[in-house]
Amino acid sequence: DTGVSQNPRHKITKRGQNVTFRCDPISEHNRLYWYRQTLGQGPEFLTYFQNEAQLEKSRLLSDRFSAERPKGSFSTLEIQRTEQGDSAMYLCASSLTGASNTGELFFGEGSRLTVL
Amino acid sequence: AQSVTQLGSHVSVSEGALVLLRCNYSSSVPPYLFWYVQYPNQGLQLLLKYTSAATLVKGINGFEAEFKKSETSFHLTKPSAHMSDAAEYFCAVSKGGNKLVFGAGTILRVKS
Repeated sequence: DTGVSQNPRHKITKRGQNVTFRCDPISEHNRLYWYRQTLGQGPEFLTYFQNEAQLEKSRLLSDRFSAERPKGSFSTLEIQRTEQGDSAMYLCASSLTGASNTGELFFGEGSRLTVL
Repeated sequence: AQSVTQLGSHVSVSEGALVLLRCNYSSSVPPYLFWYVQYPNQGLQLLLKYTSAATLVKGINGFEAEFKKSETSFHLTKPSAHMSDAAEYFCAVSKGGNKLVFGAGTILRVKS
């Protein structure tokens, strides 16, 4: 399967702990996005990378959140000192840039975080 | 700034009835528009997209949507609902091929 892969699929943690999620995009895609989705809401943009460069960060991404894409391939999203309000589904997506780019994103199945 | 409004957080139809899910967008430039579907515990799957070609766009699973600039709308329709169409549907807008901005979603329930 060459789709977007996310790990772990589920994470339960205690408040104050750190968690890290990993995303492996479709191999030829140079853009990688992170979104957060809470119950009853659509996905909310967090940040995106073009290759290894982080080009945009949402105000939703507080200083407890950090995302990296060190070699322009996989990406990690770390949340430090988790709070109950961080409980959500974290979605990763990838896409290609270029003349034919329409903004279509290809999504992984998400990583669900529960903070107790 | 771009935004998307989906009218109706829940829509219920009978099997075989018409499905109509409403989406209105706000964009300062001609947008790209998308409908995605999400089944429980799964990621988002693209149903269809409008990219400034034909205004009536056909997608997968018998869905289609019509771009109406005068109404700033991109409503999703399907002539005859199936039980398997029960899911959450998201409308999204993109400007110039950058990040997508999603609506809040509409949960479609199909009654037998």
